[in-house]
Amino acid sequence: EAQVTQNPRYLITVTGKKLTVTCSQNMNHEYMSWYRQDPGLGLRQIYYSMNVEVTDKGDVPEGYKVSRKEKRNFPLILESPSPNQTSLYFCASSLSGGGSPLHFGNGTRLTVT
Amino acid sequence: QKEVEQNSGPLSVPEGAIASLNCTYSDRVSQSFFWYRQYSGKSPELIMSIYSNGDKEDGRFTAQLNKASQYVSLLIRDSQPSDSATYLCAVNPVGGSGTYKYIFGTGTRLKVLA
Repeated sequence: EAQVTQNPRYLITVTGKKLTVTCSQNMNHEYMSWYRQDPGLGLRQIYYSMNVEVTDKGDVPEGYKVSRKEKRNFPLILESPSPNQTSLYFCASSLSGGGSPLHFGNGTRLTVT
Repeated sequence: QKEVEQNSGPLSVPEGAIASLNCTYSDRVSQSFFWYRQYSGKSPELIMSIYSNGDKEDGRFTAQLNKASQYVSLLIRDSQPSDSATYLCAVNPVGGSGTYKYIFGTGTRLKVLA
């Protein structure tokens, strides 16, 4: 089944404790992206990647890191999480980034206390 | 001005009616437009893609695009209670250096009343 898989689905952590949210897609997509979704603010892009080893900042990159060492994986790293990073996070991928729709993972609900 | 604007709603329509959802965007170079449906706490699901001016129909859904007016809409015919969700409009402009972004509106919440 073609899908984008994120893990974990739920995560509660404390301020400053490094964490990684994994994302993997099995559709051989070139483009991958991370979004956060907050009430009233909609989906905001954190980082995106056009291909392996090619990443770029989205609209809200502060406090996040990403890497794209393999085509299928695009982990999101929070090196020192803070409470304002409490949010619902989505990983998404598309075939090429231009003109092809995004396919979303199931989301990760992160709470930072 | 926001890059992609949608009325947040809620838009309430009776079962069986036509629901009309609207979206305006500011980037004139955008060529690709998408509508997603999102149930509370779930991930967005693609409903329609539209790339050229005019109407595109898929079952009970019709997307309409007017690039001159920078306007895209989604019509849902014979609305069902299961259509109650938030509908997200997304625009796919070309960024600098040939990169691509997907910019989402904040969504319109639709309530279909049985």
